[in-house]
Amino acid sequence: EVQLVESGGALVQPGGSLRLSCTASGFSFSDYWMDWVRQAPGKGLEWVANMRGDGTQKDYADSVRGRFTISRDNAKNSLYLQMNSLRPEDTAIYYCARHVVYCFDSWGQGTLVTVSS
Amino acid sequence: DIVMTQTPLSSPVTLGQPASISCRSSQSLVDSDGNTYLSWLHQRPGQPPRLLIYQISKRFSGVPDRFSGSGAGTDFTLKISRAEAEDVGVYYCMQGSQFPHTFGQGTKLEIK
Repeated sequence: EVQLVESGGALVQPGGSLRLSCTASGFSFSDYWMDWVRQAPGKGLEWVANMRGDGTQKDYADSVRGRFTISRDNAKNSLYLQMNSLRPEDTAIYYCARHVVYCFDSWGQGTLVTVSS
Repeated sequence: DIVMTQTPLSSPVTLGQPASISCRSSQSLVDSDGNTYLSWLHQRPGQPPRLLIYQISKRFSGVPDRFSGSGAGTDFTLKISRAEAEDVGVYYCMQGSQFPHTFGQGTKLEIK
């Protein structure tokens, strides 16, 4: 069974940093593109970033480019999102999702990031 | 970026009756490989989204056959043949044909 478990969400002040983690199990992690998708409270879904299975390609939404960095450690079956220069508008549940044939077939439960003073 | 527009934004439905949600993209979703990467997701309150339909009409594993997808180019539809109580929540369309992948604003399905 595919499982994705996010962690690392917290309350952080504007301008602060946070690192999210996603631990995967039940599939060959290195074979898959993995993505981060976020959802602001009461709002819709927004794609944030993704990374190819071997780590050689990655991309970001314009809203986070230059502030967020996606990475992965295939030996640990883990995906990460380093978030710097956080803004109140980054407040959201952050989901880790497995990317298959240009859609997301498995999602974690999400981790809440709150940016507030 | 491709803009995905869903209608209606809210849909009250009677148990056992059909429901339909439309999704329109600002550009054609036909990819250079000839495929159309339009998917539908369902999110129950307090839960993460889950995949229902991919590539317009292919049901994901475990999805009941009362869910069906159709459409082409820029216009797509999700249909529920007979709504059940567990179908409540928000439905999103998503395009994967072009980066960045974008979502519709969501359609809230409520039982009357």
